[in-house]
Amino acid sequence: AQRVTQPEKLLSVFKGAPVELKCNYSYSGSPELFWYVQYSRQRLQLLLRHISRESIKGFTADLNKGETSFHLKKPFAQEEDSAMYYCALGEGSNYKLTFGKGTLLTVNP
Amino acid sequence: NAGVTQTPKFRVLKTGQSMTLLCAQDMNHEYMYWYRQDPGMGLRLIHYSVGEGTTAKGEVPDGYNVSRLKKQNFLLGLESAAPSQTSVYFCASINRWQGIGGNYGYTFGSGTRLTVV
Repeated sequence: AQRVTQPEKLLSVFKGAPVELKCNYSYSGSPELFWYVQYSRQRLQLLLRHISRESIKGFTADLNKGETSFHLKKPFAQEEDSAMYYCALGEGSNYKLTFGKGTLLTVNP
Repeated sequence: NAGVTQTPKFRVLKTGQSMTLLCAQDMNHEYMYWYRQDPGMGLRLIHYSVGEGTTAKGEVPDGYNVSRLKKQNFLLGLESAAPSQTSVYFCASINRWQGIGGNYGYTFGSGTRLTVV
């Protein structure tokens, strides 16, 4: 069965510091991986998808199949990055997503 | 363009009562999903639909029923509410072509906060 693990429930950093949100997955096939973000009082929204290898709002994420990881990184955190972040693994046939339990990131001034 | 609209936004139910949550999307999306969000548990899939007239069970379907009589609407029903169903419920949708392209850019609704007392 597929599984997504986000080991940190809470992560607190200071503004300007680097941030890394960890995500590990378990999946027998070729994974489709995503990061979603939920800002306070806003809807969940897609932040990144591994297939596009893009950088959004300064965030990047690299798929490491050997370590089965898809960690989210940003070199210099900003206060507006404070949010709940979810890593998600896609199941191809019906485009279902399995979400991790989420990491609440707080960026302190 | 409203995207995905969920009604109601808030509701308090007594144990044993029934209710229906409505999800409506105006993007002509084929795939629709119902998730529940609980503290420390993330989002868990309740039921989903791959098209009008079809539904399927997700990870936590017990105690819920769904219907998709029209392509734009996906209803989630609680037949006999229990305190364990206290949660925030999210609906999401996606276009088939987004899925094929590997872009699982779900459009989410704003959620329904349900409390069962």
